[in-house]
This record gives sequence, structure tokens and C-alpha cells, in this order.
Amino acid sequence: AQSVTQLGSHVSVSEGALVLLRCNYSSSVPPYLFWYVQYPNQGLQLLLKYTSAATLVKGINGFEAEFKKSETSFHLTKPSAHMSDAAEYFCAVRNAGNMLTFGGGTRLMVKP
Amino acid sequence: DTAVSQTPKYLVTQMGNDKSIKCEQNLGHDTMYWYKQDSKKFLKIMFSYNNKELIINETVPNRFSPKSPDKAHLNLHINSLELGDSAVYFCASSQVSRATDTQYFGPGTRLTVL
Repeated sequence: AQSVTQLGSHVSVSEGALVLLRCNYSSSVPPYLFWYVQYPNQGLQLLLKYTSAATLVKGINGFEAEFKKSETSFHLTKPSAHMSDAAEYFCAVRNAGNMLTFGGGTRLMVKP
Repeated sequence: DTAVSQTPKYLVTQMGNDKSIKCEQNLGHDTMYWYKQDSKKFLKIMFSYNNKELIINETVPNRFSPKSPDKAHLNLHINSLELGDSAVYFCASSQVSRATDTQYFGPGTRLTVL
């Protein structure tokens, strides 16, 4: 069965600093991986997805993630944080039944 | 136009009641889902449904039942509500026939059981 672990339930960065949110997965088949963002009191919005094409995936709002099979990782990065990036971020893997298994989420806080 | 919509946005009810949450998608997708997000923000799949197959997460109590009047709707009916059912429920949809399908989520329904 597939699973996802997000290291760090809370990450705090200063505005303009690098954002790094960690995601490790476990999957017995080549995975489809996703990052979603959830702003307060809103639904989930897709940031980016990996579907076995390019290992470096670019998403919306300047985010990108790199799939590393050897490390079973799919970390999310952004070179320069904005205040508007403060939100909850979820990494997910799609299972054989096309359902998503989510990690526990990482709350990103951006300090002025 | 909202791609995936849910009603109501907030639902407050007493223990033991029966309630329904409605979900509609206008994306023409063939599969719809229900997820539960608990107070610690943990998201868990409850159901996956298309016109051929219902897949139920084995941990979901049978008090929860999805009902689909047509391809664009998947409602969630909950019987005999319990305190532990308090959570935010998200509906989602996708086109599974596409190998790289993406799930699109609704805005969520916050259920509070008193």
C-alpha cells in the first residue's frame, strides 16, 4: 500500500527566504505524486503533480518539486517566500484505486 | 462557475440526527470522491464512486453512505451522527480514464455534532 510522510508539521520562514517542504513516499509501483495547498477555510488547490515524465515539476505560484526515486522523496520548494504563501500544504500519492493518500500536512508560516 | 460545489458550507446538528451533504461537479468527470479532514487537518479518503463501481474505505462506518442520483452528483448521507463525526468533509472529482487525472476539490463542509 502507498503511504506518504511529511516531515515537519510546522515550518516557519522569513519573507524572501527559501521554502522547503519535505515529502517522502512509499509505493510498490511507480507513483503519481501531488502537492496540494489549502488556504484557511478553503478547499484544496493543486500546486503540481508528478506523473512519470520530467523529474523536476514546476507548479503554480513559483513552486516546484523534484522526484527522486533513490530517496523516495518529492520535496516542494520555492526560492523566495511571500506572505501569501502561508497555508497548509499536503503531499499525496495516488493508489491503485485512483484515490489519494495524503501526508499529515505541513503548515507554512511566513514571517515579515 | 464553480467546478466542484458543496452544500451546505456549515452544518451544526445534534447527536443521533441524520444529515446529508450535497456535492455537484460541472467538469464532466467520471469519478467522484469524499474525503474527511479531522481537527488535526489529517485527510482521509472515504469513498470513490463512478457509474460502475463504489470503493469504500474499510474504516468508514456503515452509517455513512454515498448516494449518486446522476454522474454529476455524489451526496453523502450520514445516519445516527456521533460526536466523532465532527470534521470537514471534502468532495472531489476526476476523470479516471485519463492516466494522469487530477482530483479537483470542493470548498468543504464543516460538520459540527453537538
